[in-house]
Amino acid sequence: SAVISQKPSRDICQRGTSLTIQCQVDSQVTMMFWYRQQPGQSLTLIATANQGSEATYESGFVIDKFPISRPNLTFSTLTVSNMSPEDSSIYLCSVRRGGSNNEQFFGPGTRLTVL
Amino acid sequence: AQTVTQSQPEMSVQEAETVTLSCTYDTSESDYYLFWYKQPPSRQMILVIRQEAYKQQNATENRFSVNFQKAAKSFSLKISDSQLGDAAMYFCAYRTMYSGGGADGLTFGKGTHLIIQP
Repeated sequence: SAVISQKPSRDICQRGTSLTIQCQVDSQVTMMFWYRQQPGQSLTLIATANQGSEATYESGFVIDKFPISRPNLTFSTLTVSNMSPEDSSIYLCSVRRGGSNNEQFFGPGTRLTVL
Repeated sequence: AQTVTQSQPEMSVQEAETVTLSCTYDTSESDYYLFWYKQPPSRQMILVIRQEAYKQQNATENRFSVNFQKAAKSFSLKISDSQLGDAAMYFCAYRTMYSGGGADGLTFGKGTHLIIQP
């Protein structure tokens, strides 16, 4: 298994500001992902965080709005930039070791409210 | 692109009874993985069960089992002897078998809210 922590667990922010969410894993993992879960909705993949290179973004998500860093195999950050109320969501970090047949684990999420 | 459809926004079942949650998906791939995840009010996503598309045998995990119909692209979850702790959102998810080459995370359905009546 993998133990994943996220900071902060929740935050209330003003529109126009930015928030950086941290994801820390207790052991090295190959794949790290960031998901968004809007209120009452399902999870949507934002991007795959690649170690040592630029993240791979899904359609509808751009680096200027959601810059991602992954300096090593246990840590990643997601920044939500120039926030608006529409960014109010739960943001989840997810990890997977090795090949695609391995289990994918999720962090506890960060609940973001933008006023 | 793959899509996952859960047509039941909410299901209710009596404690100790059996309930089946539906999931259909659309893909052009022949090899992939299917999952059911549970999300209780704590928000923590928990893997319930997984199925490899190349396996004909349906996966089972204790009280949880699936009915995987590859030709029909159907992947339903059966929960037997329902317990109060089973109350949660249940998400069906798809993942390609071949990683690399870009994003290969999970594609989720919209979820089914399962209510357990005591």
